Amino acid sequence: GENVEQHPSTLSVQEGDSAVIKCTYSDSASNYFPWYKQELGKRPQLIIDIRSNVGEKKDQRIAVTLNKTAKHFSLHITETQPEDSAVYFCAAPLRSARQLTFGSGTQLTVLP
Amino acid sequence: DAGVTQSPTHLIKTRGQQVTLRCSPKSGHDTVSWYQQALGQGPQFIFQYYEEEERQRGNFPDRFSGHQYPNYSSELNVNALLLGDSALYLCASSLVLTGNSGNTIYFGEGSWLTVV
Repeated sequence: GENVEQHPSTLSVQEGDSAVIKCTYSDSASNYFPWYKQELGKRPQLIIDIRSNVGEKKDQRIAVTLNKTAKHFSLHITETQPEDSAVYFCAAPLRSARQLTFGSGTQLTVLP
Repeated sequence: DAGVTQSPTHLIKTRGQQVTLRCSPKSGHDTVSWYQQALGQGPQFIFQYYEEEERQRGNFPDRFSGHQYPNYSSELNVNALLLGDSALYLCASSLVLTGNSGNTIYFGEGSWLTVV
């Protein structure tokens, strides 16, 4: 079926190290790939997104890369800080551009 | 992301009851989507409203229904509540989609529904 697979489900890194979260998607027509950060008890917040006309996008310590041929995209967080600890979700507009299908989430823990 | 407002923030209902959740989209947005997020899972698409009509629906039973008003605000109604309906219900707003390009969506704070 059409889905978005996200790995790993949990990730622990030392403060200052980098974190990478990967997602694969099934619909080759998808052309928009957002990443959301969700802190405990809060709503998901958009942190970065990328469209298929570019292969990489960067915003300070956060970057997203996209490989349309392989149908996967990744979130890269450099110089991690304790406040980066949260659940991160990738998403893609599968089935229809009108709805996002979310990955299962990655619990990132940054150890001080 | 600021500007999408939802009410109520928390509520407790009994099995079999009905619930109505409300959402006002971000200023300038005309499309409202509803998502259900169970504990420990990603948001699941319920449906989307544009121009006061349901435009797309996810894999949810017809106990879940909605409405959009001329001012773009929206309601989510769930009838005959089940224990499994306990979740965070998220409203997301965006501009109308054109072509095949996904649009940026912004979530409200959500409504925490507990069914007992």
